[in-house]
Amino acid sequence: AQTVTQSQPEMSVQEAETVTLSCTYDTSESDYYLFWYKQPPSRQMILVIRQEAYKQQNATENRFSVNFQKAAKSFSLKISDSQLGDAAMYFCAYRTLTGNQFYFGTGTSLTVIP
Amino acid sequence: GAGVSQTPSNKVTEKGKYVELRCDPISGHTALYWYRQSLGQGPEFLIYFQGTGAADDSGLPNDRFFAVRPEGSVSTLKIQRTERGDSAVYLCASSPTTGPLEYGYTFGSGTRLTVV
Repeated sequence: AQTVTQSQPEMSVQEAETVTLSCTYDTSESDYYLFWYKQPPSRQMILVIRQEAYKQQNATENRFSVNFQKAAKSFSLKISDSQLGDAAMYFCAYRTLTGNQFYFGTGTSLTVIP
Repeated sequence: GAGVSQTPSNKVTEKGKYVELRCDPISGHTALYWYRQSLGQGPEFLIYFQGTGAADDSGLPNDRFFAVRPEGSVSTLKIQRTERGDSAVYLCASSPTTGPLEYGYTFGSGTRLTVV
């Protein structure tokens, strides 16, 4: 069974600084997708970044980047130049190549301090 | 519509009552998903529709939960004999058939169900 673990229930960062959110997962698949989703108080889940397991290069989207360690089954999210609008819950998620559902972790609440 | 619309935004009901939660997906999206997000947890998959049929209902917790999508657009999640443990945010998402799934996978803002 696929499980996703986020061991940091809460994190905080000073505005303009960098923060890293951790995620580990368990799977017997060799190819799959990993994601980070942001959930602001509006409750809508917003895709931040995705990574294909068969790609060795770490994904990057503007101020967001990941550190994907396939052997360690680790998938952390780095947010650079943190902004007040980055404050939200962040969920790590997994999906198989052919599956339609996401498996989510329990989330990390990020606070950005002005 | 421009986004996935869920109504009501909030619903309070008494234990034992029946409730219906509505999801209106993005126009043209053939796939529709329901997730349940309990307090302090990530969303958990309930059911997936492709068109009018339920392609995967493996996440429904028991037979008190049922969902329909009769015309392949709007979906209704139905919960009978509600229990306090059913209290959660119920999220709906939709996606088109073609293209990378996750880029078209759009979530609504959910219905917060509280059973008292």
